[in-house]
Amino acid sequence: QKEVEQNSGPLSVPEGAIASLNCTYSDRGSQSFFWYRQYSGKSPELIMFIYSNGDKEDGRFTAQLNKASQYVSLLIRDSQPSDSATYLCAVYSGNTPLVFGKGTRLSVIA
Amino acid sequence: NAGVMQNPRHLVRRRGQEARLRCSPMKGHSHVYWYRQLPEEGLKFMVYLQKENIIDESGMPKERFSAEFPKEGPSILRIQQVVRGDSAAYFCASSPTTGFDTEAFFGQGTRLTVV
Repeated sequence: QKEVEQNSGPLSVPEGAIASLNCTYSDRGSQSFFWYRQYSGKSPELIMFIYSNGDKEDGRFTAQLNKASQYVSLLIRDSQPSDSATYLCAVYSGNTPLVFGKGTRLSVIA
Repeated sequence: NAGVMQNPRHLVRRRGQEARLRCSPMKGHSHVYWYRQLPEEGLKFMVYLQKENIIDESGMPKERFSAEFPKEGPSILRIQQVVRGDSAAYFCASSPTTGFDTEAFFGQGTRLTVV
C-alpha cells in the first residue's frame, strides 16, 4: 500500500514569512513528486514537481527532495494571504496514477 | 486551449437514482483519471482510462460504479443506485502521456449530493 503522509495543519504563518510544508512517502521506488494547491471548494492546481534530489525553485516556491529520507517539502517565501489554501503532495511511482496525501491547510495571517 | 472540462458542476440525485459525470480532457490529452474527494479528505484515486481502455480501476468500488472513455466524446463516470455515502466531489484529471515528468491537470469537479 503506497502511502503519502502530510500534517493536516492548520499551519499558520505571518505574512511575509516562509511557509514550510512537508510530505513523506512509503514507496522507496517513487520517481517524482508533485505539489498542488487547492482553495476551498475549488479544484487542485499544479504548482510544481520535482524528481531529482535537492532543490528546485520556481518564483516564490522551492521544492526540496530527499529520496534517502523519503521526504519532500515545499517552501513558500514571502507568504501572502492569497497563499492560504490546502497544499496537496502527490507521488508518482511508475505505471500508477498519482497518489495524494490528505493535504496541509496553510493560513497566512495578514 | 481550454482546460479539463467537467459537467455538471453540481448534481443532486435522490437515493436510488443514477448519476452521470462527464469529463472532457484537455486538447491533445488521451489519459484520464478520476478521483473522489470527501470533505476534509485528500483525493482518492478511482480509475485511469486511456481512449477506449480502462488501464487501472483498482480504486473503483466493485459495485454500482463504472467508467468509460469512448473513441469519440467525453469520459463518463457512472454511479448507479446512488446512496448518501456517494456524496462527494469527483475530479477528473488529464495528461498527454504518462511518465515521471508528466503533469496532470484537473477539471473543476462535479459536486454530487445525494438526498
